[in-house]
Amino acid sequence: GIQVEQSPPDLILQEGANSTLRCNFSDSVNNLQWFHQNPWGQLINLFYIPSGTKQNGRLSATTVATERYSLLYISSSQTTDSGVYFCAVEQNAGGTSYGKLTFGQGTILTVHP
Amino acid sequence: NAGVTQTPKFQVLKTGQSMTLQCAQDMNHNSMYWYRQDPGMGLRLIYYSASEGTTDKGEVPNGYNVSRLNKREFSLRLESAAPSQTSVYFCASSLMNVNQPQHFGDGTRLSIL
Repeated sequence: GIQVEQSPPDLILQEGANSTLRCNFSDSVNNLQWFHQNPWGQLINLFYIPSGTKQNGRLSATTVATERYSLLYISSSQTTDSGVYFCAVEQNAGGTSYGKLTFGQGTILTVHP
Repeated sequence: NAGVTQTPKFQVLKTGQSMTLQCAQDMNHNSMYWYRQDPGMGLRLIYYSASEGTTDKGEVPNGYNVSRLNKREFSLRLESAAPSQTSVYFCASSLMNVNQPQHFGDGTRLSIL
C-alpha cells in the first residue's frame, strides 16, 4: 500500500513564529487531506487538497502531486495551534475515489506563549 | 448542527465481551468510515461504507464487523473483544466523488482488560 511520511515528527515554536510541515507519499493520489488533532483529541479537517494551493486565514497548503509531496504552512502561530497535524492520502487506483485514507504518523506541534 | 455523533464516549470491556459502537451523521453524507487510533500513531481504516447498503474492508478489519443501518447510521461491532483492540475509535463521513473532506466524530475511547 501507499506510504505516507511526515516531517518533522516534533516541532516547538514561540508564539508568532512561522512553520512548514511536510508530507511525502509514495504513489499517485486522488485525495489528500490535512487534519489538526487538538489536545482534546478532536480531529478537524483543515484542507482537502489533492493538488494546487489553498489558503484559510493563517494556514495554507500546497500539494505538488507530480513530485508526491504536500506542505502545510502555519503563519504567526498561536498557542491554540498546538496539537498533532496529520496528512492523509488515498492512493489513485485509476477509478473512483472512496475516501479510503492512509494517515501519516503526524507532526506534534507545541506553541509556547 | 451535530455533525458526526459517536456513542459511547468511553467504555471498558473484559476480554471476550461484545460491544457495538454507534455512529450517526446529520449532514446527508453518502460515505461513512471507521478508524482506530493507537497511541503515537496516525489513524488506520477499519471498514468503510461508500453508500447506503454497501460496506467494505479497510486496512485492519480483523475482529470487527460493521452495519450500515441507513444513510445516517454506521455501527462497528466487536464480537469478542481482545486487549489488542484497546484504542480510540473514530467515525467519519463525507460526500464521495465530489471532492469533499471527511468530517470526524469526537471518538470512543475503548479499553479492554
